Amino acid sequence: AQSVTQLDSHVSVSEGTPVLLRCNYSSSYSPSLFWYVQHPNKGLQLLLKYTSAATLVKGINGFEAEFKKSETSFHLTKPSAHMSDAAEYFCVVSVGGSQGNLIFGKGTKLSVKP
Amino acid sequence: EAQVTQNPRYLITVTGKKLTVTCSQNMNHEYMSWYRQDPGLGLRQIYYSMNVEVTDKGDVPEGYKVSRKEKRNFPLILESPSPNQTSLYFCASSLVARSYYGYTFGSGTRLTVV
Repeated sequence: AQSVTQLDSHVSVSEGTPVLLRCNYSSSYSPSLFWYVQHPNKGLQLLLKYTSAATLVKGINGFEAEFKKSETSFHLTKPSAHMSDAAEYFCVVSVGGSQGNLIFGKGTKLSVKP
Repeated sequence: EAQVTQNPRYLITVTGKKLTVTCSQNMNHEYMSWYRQDPGLGLRQIYYSMNVEVTDKGDVPEGYKVSRKEKRNFPLILESPSPNQTSLYFCASSLVARSYYGYTFGSGTRLTVV
């Protein structure tokens, strides 16, 4: 069965320091993996996706993620946090098949201190 | 602008009073889906639709109905809402199921059932 585990429910960083949001997945198939961001009182925005091409994926707003099959991980990073990055982040795996379901992690809330 | 539009954004209703949350997409996507988001649980799929007149249950379908009479619209119907359906609801669409392009989400509908 497919599953996603976000290892931290809350991460706090100072502005200008690196961001690391951790995600492990379990999938019987070659997965499609995504990171979505949700700003307060807003909808979900796609940050980046992995679909079996390059293992290092670059997304919007300076974020990137590396797919590591041996570690079943898809961690999200950014070299330098900005105040506007404060939001909740979801790691997502696409189950595939006819259901086309997305399995969401429980989310990581990122706080950025000035 | 390519988008998924949900209405209303906020809704407070009483137990047992039928309601409909509308969802419309302008991208000619075949696949549409409804999710509910609850604190600490991430997003869970309620129903999905592979195409017009093709719908099926997701992981938490109890108490909900959907229809897909036109490609662009996928309304969510609560025939007799109960307080445990108080949640944040998202509609999503994709070109096809398990889209490598990611899913586009609406802005969400915050439903409170009293």
